[in-house]
Amino acid sequence: DSGVTQTPKHLITATGQRVTLRCSPRSGDLSVYWYQQSLDQGLQFLIQYYNGEERAKGNILERFSAQQFPDLHSELNLSSLELGDSALYFCASSGQSSGNTIYFGEGSWLTVV
Amino acid sequence: SQQGEEDPQALSIQEGENATMNCSYKTSINNLQWYRQNSGRGLVHLILIRSNEREKHSGRLRVTLDTSKKSSSLLITASRAADTASYFCATDAVGGANSKLTFGKGITLSVRP
Repeated sequence: DSGVTQTPKHLITATGQRVTLRCSPRSGDLSVYWYQQSLDQGLQFLIQYYNGEERAKGNILERFSAQQFPDLHSELNLSSLELGDSALYFCASSGQSSGNTIYFGEGSWLTVV
Repeated sequence: SQQGEEDPQALSIQEGENATMNCSYKTSINNLQWYRQNSGRGLVHLILIRSNEREKHSGRLRVTLDTSKKSSSLLITASRAADTASYFCATDAVGGANSKLTFGKGITLSVRP
C-alpha cells in the first residue's frame, strides 16, 4: 500500500460527459501528480501541484483541469469526454520524507462509451 | 517523445534465471528510477539511482547508471514467477520541473515457473 488513495477505482461514462477523479496523497506529502496511462500513449505526465499551487504542466488537454485543495487532496476534472480519453489515470505524491521518490495510487480506470 | 526508452520491449525467462532490462535517455538527469507495474495496478517504486552514483543494490535488484552513455540497466537475479510485471524507467531531468518524472514505455517481463 503506497498510501496514495484514488477514487473511484472504475468509472464508465458516455461521450460528452464530465467526471471528477479524486486523490488523497500520502500523509505529509505536499506534491501531487496526475498521470494518464493508455495502451497507445504509455504513461503520460499531466500536471503537478505543490501545496495548492500548480507547479508543472505536461500533456494535459484543455478539456482537463485539476486542483489541489488546502487539505492537500487533489481532483482531476475531465470534461467533454471522448472515446480516446479512456485510460487509467494515476495520482502520485511525493514529499520531503521520500526525497525524489514518487508514490503512485492504484489508479482510476475510466471507460468512455 | 519519451525521455526514457526501455529495451527490450518484452522479455521471457525461466524462473531462476537473471533478467536484464535496459533504459536509455536523452537529456541530463538528476536521477533515474525504476518502477514495477503489475497488470492493471499502480506503479511500485523499486529503486532510485542518482546521477553521481554508478551502481546500487536492493535485495535481488541491481541497477547501474552510465551517464556518459545516458543509459541504465536493471538486473533482477534469481527471478521468480512473482516478478512477472511491466518495468519502467523514469528520469528526473536536470532543469525540469520539480520531480516531474518522465517514463518510458516499459518492458514486459514474463517469468515462466
